[in-house]
Amino acid sequence: GAGVSQSPRYKVAKRGQDVALRCDPISGHVSLFWYQQALGQGPEFLTYFQNEAQLDKSGLPSDRFFAERPEGSVSTLKIQRTQQEDSAVYLCASSPGGFREFNEKLFFGSGTQLSVL
Amino acid sequence: AQRVTQPEKLLSVFKGAPVELKCNYSYSGSPELFWYVQYSRQRLQLLLRHISRESIKGFTADLNKGETSFHLKKPFAQEEDSAMYYCALTDYGGSQGNLIFGKGTKLSVKP
Repeated sequence: GAGVSQSPRYKVAKRGQDVALRCDPISGHVSLFWYQQALGQGPEFLTYFQNEAQLDKSGLPSDRFFAERPEGSVSTLKIQRTQQEDSAVYLCASSPGGFREFNEKLFFGSGTQLSVL
Repeated sequence: AQRVTQPEKLLSVFKGAPVELKCNYSYSGSPELFWYVQYSRQRLQLLLRHISRESIKGFTADLNKGETSFHLKKPFAQEEDSAMYYCALTDYGGSQGNLIFGKGTKLSVKP
């Protein structure tokens, strides 16, 4: 593909609803990140995958947040029982390099804007 | 704690004027610093990295470890420079390699 693809582009959820956000990284990219960007803020790290292994999930704000990348390509970020404070843009980024190399060339998707009513 | 501070939410300059977007960081290790840019309706993308010591689109940034700053500069701003600019850091020596972003500065270049 042309770049990192995220879907849906926009998601409106009722409070308490579960949502799933998808990220298609650039083919062959080893590293995949999820970031959360609240309105007026910079992106904040959520979690990092190297291939299928989730090496860092220290940024996930609660146990309602879960991410997976079972085959080392597509990744899904799932948020259970959504709350209003979960409203944000969720960014996915991928890189051909692994740990200590990925920031040399990091490609971001357009993001999914989640609104929880 | 690791922190990136961009003190200005909005910076407005006229075309042809010099521009400086400020970035200060707080980190005890040996961070690597970046500037990312997001143009209107486009994706976040890397502008430059301090270790590359390069000039991209006329922008430069110098890492000042004494002042813990990494300010982004351009001598003559252009209208197409209008965008959101984010300063970010990472530390390869630590257990985490992920980027830590500032809150961003919106640059508006007026004709």
